[in-house]
Amino acid sequence: EVQLVESGGGLVQPGGSLRLSCAASGFSFSTYWMSWVRQTPGKGLEWVANIKPDGSDKYYVDSMKGRFTISRDNAQNSLYLQMNSLRAEDTAVYYCATEAPIALLDHWGQGTLVTVSS
Amino acid sequence: IQMTQSPSSLSASVGDRVTITCRASQSVSTHLNWYQQKPGKAPKVLIHAASSLQSGVPSRFSGSGSGTDFTLTITSLQPEDFATYYCQQGYTTPGTFGQGTRLEIK
Repeated sequence: EVQLVESGGGLVQPGGSLRLSCAASGFSFSTYWMSWVRQTPGKGLEWVANIKPDGSDKYYVDSMKGRFTISRDNAQNSLYLQMNSLRAEDTAVYYCATEAPIALLDHWGQGTLVTVSS
Repeated sequence: IQMTQSPSSLSASVGDRVTITCRASQSVSTHLNWYQQKPGKAPKVLIHAASSLQSGVPSRFSGSGSGTDFTLTITSLQPEDFATYYCQQGYTTPGTFGQGTRLEIK
């Protein structure tokens, strides 16, 4: 059974940093594209970034380029999202997901809440 | 690519047939996915590639369309179908989502 478990969310001040983790099990992690998606009450679902199976290619939504970094450790079956220079509008539930062709997000974690507030 | 769903919310009764529409700002071919989300839960795939039913999803769900206009149809609504539905295009990166359609019990 595919399992994705996010961790690392919490309360952080504006301008601060946070690193999210996603522990994967039940599938061949090193062969899958992986994505981060976030959900805010105001903007709904927003794709954040994805990463190729071997980590050699990464894509980001424009508004997060330069602030967020996606990475993975295939030996540890783990996906990461380093978030810097956080803003109030980054407050959201962050999900990791497996990504199949045509950006199909076919397995999701339970999400981790990030709150950016002073 | 911008994705626009209509309606934003919808009230229906158990047993009804409902249709949700998704329009893309440019052609996405059939690179269109539909998700269902219940409160406090992650989204779940219903339909991929516009009309292919995801494994395990009941056959009362169906999708159609290509290019810029797509529909998700639910025949004979069941109590567990009351949720929020999202479309997502997978034609270009980022795979943008529609704003969602909240399906409520009448």
